[in-house]
Amino acid sequence: DAKTTQPPSMDCAEGRAANLPCNHSTISGNEYVYWYRQIHSQGPQYIIHGLKNNETNEMASLIITEDRKSSTLILPHATLRDTAVYYCIVRQTGANNLFFGTGTRLTVIP
Amino acid sequence: NAGVTQTPKFQVLKTGQSMTLQCAQDMNHNSMYWYRQDPGMGLRLIYYSASEGTTDKGEVPNGYNVSRLNKREFSLRLESAAPSQTSVYFCASSVYRGDTGELFFGEGSRLTVL
Repeated sequence: DAKTTQPPSMDCAEGRAANLPCNHSTISGNEYVYWYRQIHSQGPQYIIHGLKNNETNEMASLIITEDRKSSTLILPHATLRDTAVYYCIVRQTGANNLFFGTGTRLTVIP
Repeated sequence: NAGVTQTPKFQVLKTGQSMTLQCAQDMNHNSMYWYRQDPGMGLRLIYYSASEGTTDKGEVPNGYNVSRLNKREFSLRLESAAPSQTSVYFCASSVYRGDTGELFFGEGSRLTVL
């Protein structure tokens, strides 16, 4: 599985959009980009995933560059409850594991 | 729906003692996983079970054994606990349709080995 690079920490003002970047320059054609978050010490929570196209759900939007070497997770209106560690993961089709790195610690500031 | 339930939530062991972490899911998922998370680190896969009756090693299997008791339950056993196994353990499950990897996690089991 390709490795990912994320900034260790970011701040975002409450109510503003949070844009979390992720580099995955060695991603291969059959690898999906997944985002999870971990609030405090709870179990990680699935947010969104995509292959080539941009994706949106009720939680967030995922923007993947055309060359697929990087992506951005967007939380459109961050709230204090979005304070968490966000993990960007690439996963090969059919693979049984998700390799979690150390993620980005997002702090939403009132 | 309870989702993924882990027991116990907290446990303190002495070096050399044994224990079993229990995990059950009520979502009719095929695949189940055990991860560990050390302070300030991401999650690392210990063992997984792609389907009932099968188990496979992950990144860090040494010192652990697993049992997929049935489709719902997947247990993790420490035969002789060591301080290096002090960690938070997470169980997860997924439908596993090959191209989707949405994992549902339990709340975690915090283990301290003295």
